[in-house]
Amino acid sequence: DIQMTQSPSTLSASVGDRVTITCRASQSIRNWLAWYQQKPGKAPKLLIYEASSLESGVPSRISGSGSGTEFTLTISSLQADDFATYYCQQYNSYPYTFGQGTKLEIK
Amino acid sequence: QVQLVESGGGVVQPGRSLRLSCAASGFTFSSYAMHWVRQAPGKGLEWVAVISYDGSNKYYADSVKGRFTISRDNSKNTLYLQMNSLRAEDSAVYYCLTTTGSWGQGTLVTVSS
Repeated sequence: DIQMTQSPSTLSASVGDRVTITCRASQSIRNWLAWYQQKPGKAPKLLIYEASSLESGVPSRISGSGSGTEFTLTISSLQADDFATYYCQQYNSYPYTFGQGTKLEIK
Repeated sequence: QVQLVESGGGVVQPGRSLRLSCAASGFTFSSYAMHWVRQAPGKGLEWVAVISYDGSNKYYADSVKGRFTISRDNSKNTLYLQMNSLRAEDSAVYYCLTTTGSWGQGTLVTVSS
């Protein structure tokens, strides 16, 4: 199975900051990676697919990059609505696997 | 727009069975593969199973293989997850989702004596 490792597990930041979350795959997944945002008590929301494609309706301050085994999610200027938990997921091969999550907290 | 509504969750004793349903609308259900993903309380996301658009192919996480069965009825626009031999560690919110990243609101399964 492909292991997905996110870092950091927790990130403290302020409104207006630029933040980056990293996701590493245990083997190449080409660009078959998605990023999700989840708020407490809610279902995850797709932000990025195919590593760098922005889902419709997602603000352009959010971006994704990478290929192969290393990927990043960047929020260029944090807004209050961005404080949540973020997950990466590989869909290169079954079983699909998620990273353990990164909780983005207000500093 | 895409709507996915899960149902069938509840409290069940270890070793018993439960069937979850996911009613789909707002898209051509029969054209898309569908997934189940679960999330134990306070934990991360775990992919559970997938079924192809026509039901001919299915894949499972090792943690549920041999106990859970994913199925679909395209005439009813409904996805199912039959869960047998349930264990405490199967307690979670179960979500259905499309391959295009739309999720339902989830249904809670609690396995407890």
